[in-house]
Amino acid sequence: AQSVTQLDSQVPVFEEAPVELRCNYSSSVSVYLFWYVQYPNQGLQLLLKYLSGSTLVESINGFEAEFNKSQTSFHLRKPSVHISDTAEYFCAVRVSGTYKYIFGTGTRLKVLA
Amino acid sequence: DVKVTQSSRYLVKRTGEKVFLECVQDMDHENMFWYRQDPGLGLRLIYFSYDVKMKEKGDIPEGYSVSREKKERFSLILESASTNQTSMYLCASSLILQGEAFFGQGTRLTVV
Repeated sequence: AQSVTQLDSQVPVFEEAPVELRCNYSSSVSVYLFWYVQYPNQGLQLLLKYLSGSTLVESINGFEAEFNKSQTSFHLRKPSVHISDTAEYFCAVRVSGTYKYIFGTGTRLKVLA
Repeated sequence: DVKVTQSSRYLVKRTGEKVFLECVQDMDHENMFWYRQDPGLGLRLIYFSYDVKMKEKGDIPEGYSVSREKKERFSLILESASTNQTSMYLCASSLILQGEAFFGQGTRLTVV
């Protein structure tokens, strides 16, 4: 069965510091990869996605993620975080040709002043 | 923009009640999903539907059923609510075989 692993359940980081949220998936076939962000008591919002093409994808608010097929990873990075980035982040995978999205257990990012 | 609307943000129900959670999407997506979200467990798929009147069980279907009579609407039904069904419920929709899922705002259900 497909699975997504987010090893870090919580990541505290100071404002303006860099951050990396890790995501690994188990699949040997073609996949689509996603990062979602969730603010308290809200639904999930798409942050960025990899469908095909360039392995480095970026969001409009400074996050980026790199698809690494050999390591089956899709880590999320930001060079300088803001207080407003405090939220929970979910990595998800969808195997090509299937309907379902499989989510990791989430990483709670807390940005400290 | 795609909009996925869940009928309630917060619900409080009594044990044994039949509970309906409604979800509507406005972008003609074929796929619709119901997830529940619990701390430390992430999102777990309850049911999904890839067409009108078509449904498939997800990972945790026990105690739930679904209905999709129209393409834009997907309902989750708790036949007899129990306290262990207290959770955040998230509805999502997507195109049939590509792209991302779009989520509603969630319904926080408390069963007392």
